[in-house]
Amino acid sequence: GENVEQHPSTLSVQEGDSAVIKCTYSDSASNYFPWYKQELGKRPQLIIDIRSNVGEKKDQRIAVTLNKTAKHFSLHITETQPEDSAVYFCAASIKGNNRLAFGKGNQVVVIP
Amino acid sequence: EAEVAQSPRYKITEKSQAVAFWCDPISGHATLYWYRQILGQGPELLVQFQDESVVDDSQLPKDRFSAERLKGVDSTLKIQPAELGDSAMYLCASSSYRGPETQYFGPGTRLLVL
Repeated sequence: GENVEQHPSTLSVQEGDSAVIKCTYSDSASNYFPWYKQELGKRPQLIIDIRSNVGEKKDQRIAVTLNKTAKHFSLHITETQPEDSAVYFCAASIKGNNRLAFGKGNQVVVIP
Repeated sequence: EAEVAQSPRYKITEKSQAVAFWCDPISGHATLYWYRQILGQGPELLVQFQDESVVDDSQLPKDRFSAERLKGVDSTLKIQPAELGDSAMYLCASSSYRGPETQYFGPGTRLLVL
């Protein structure tokens, strides 16, 4: 299968708190997992990605963790700010790792 | 910083009409993707090019959709005839790798079919 699912669909957090979005995938051969941020009316932008040979990757306030056994990976945003409000899409490589399958997206709302 | 360009940004058309979207990838990027994004959903791949060749068009409704990348640079996606259900955002992305990594998206063309 090529299913990529994200939970929760909507997440509201107070400014300064942490936000965690979980993504599950079904293709055990997947080896590349990016996260994209899409602000209203704008293009999706890659914010962080991880490959299957790494369990965790961090970039300032953003981190991604990968559990290949359980086939899920999570986006962690610490010290959230209003500008973090957006829709976040996870994706996983499929079909021999030649293309990406995207989740439906998580709406993150940071409350000032 | 180089970006993927798309035009038009918005398109309103009536059903049964033909529409065309254009994409210019980042210079030097061999792989080009066309995605359709329905409101509230993630992008869904329509077609993938490697240079001028189609690598994957398994999700492209070939009875009405066509795509080409004749010189392996810019690309055109066409819908003929357009149907009400085609209303969506059409995103183009490019990558310098043969695989799916590090795709850069264009601003998209928002299509409304009346």
